[in-house]
Amino acid sequence: RKEVEQDPGPFNVPEGATVAFNCTYSNSASQSFFWYRQDCRKEPKLLMSVYSSGNEDGRFTAQLNRASQYISLLIRDSKLSDSATYLCVVNPRFSGGYNKLIFGAGTRLAVHP
Amino acid sequence: NAGVTQTPKFRILKIGQSMTLQCTQDMNHNYMYWYRQDPGMGLKLIYYSVGAGITDKGEVPNGYNVSRSTTEDFPLRLELAAPSQTSVYFCASIPRQGTETQYFGPGTRLLVL
Repeated sequence: RKEVEQDPGPFNVPEGATVAFNCTYSNSASQSFFWYRQDCRKEPKLLMSVYSSGNEDGRFTAQLNRASQYISLLIRDSKLSDSATYLCVVNPRFSGGYNKLIFGAGTRLAVHP
Repeated sequence: NAGVTQTPKFRILKIGQSMTLQCTQDMNHNYMYWYRQDPGMGLKLIYYSVGAGITDKGEVPNGYNVSRSTTEDFPLRLELAAPSQTSVYFCASIPRQGTETQYFGPGTRLLVL
């Protein structure tokens, strides 16, 4: 079983749609969780951290379910500029704080007019 | 600040050749990382360093070597290039222990033929 699993997509949605991505992780001792965004042929960039209480940043909402080892990302009112690959990222433990992140393979989102 | 810079942007190598991928950061970050990303896959950690003179293996270190003689530079060396090393290589850094956001360089695309 992969340490971090995501649906690869692609998700093809019209502008204005709401889309949700899911991610599962295998290590129950994992400490911290993130969503990164990666544009085509570019480096990953942090989109948002994911907290146990859930968190929201504008049109983006992230949720964490530790019991089910499940993370989600909800994007409301999709824009063309949201087209990218979304990477689910897990820090399996604070191994001396070295931040050895585990990356999922990513979910591709394509927003069309 | 230029952030994290990587050179070259793109390189074609023949099997058995060697090369060094350069990574430099001007943010005085202690922690630096090398990842590779194969098509449709997540990033995998090759090597990391927690400070000048200190390096350690990540998940996929075979075929690579690193050094960290200064805080700024973290070069990745391929001694005998193989087709399996065809990938996109990303360097990243964080300022200190416990920092969540990793700052990525723009990547080096390597093709081994």
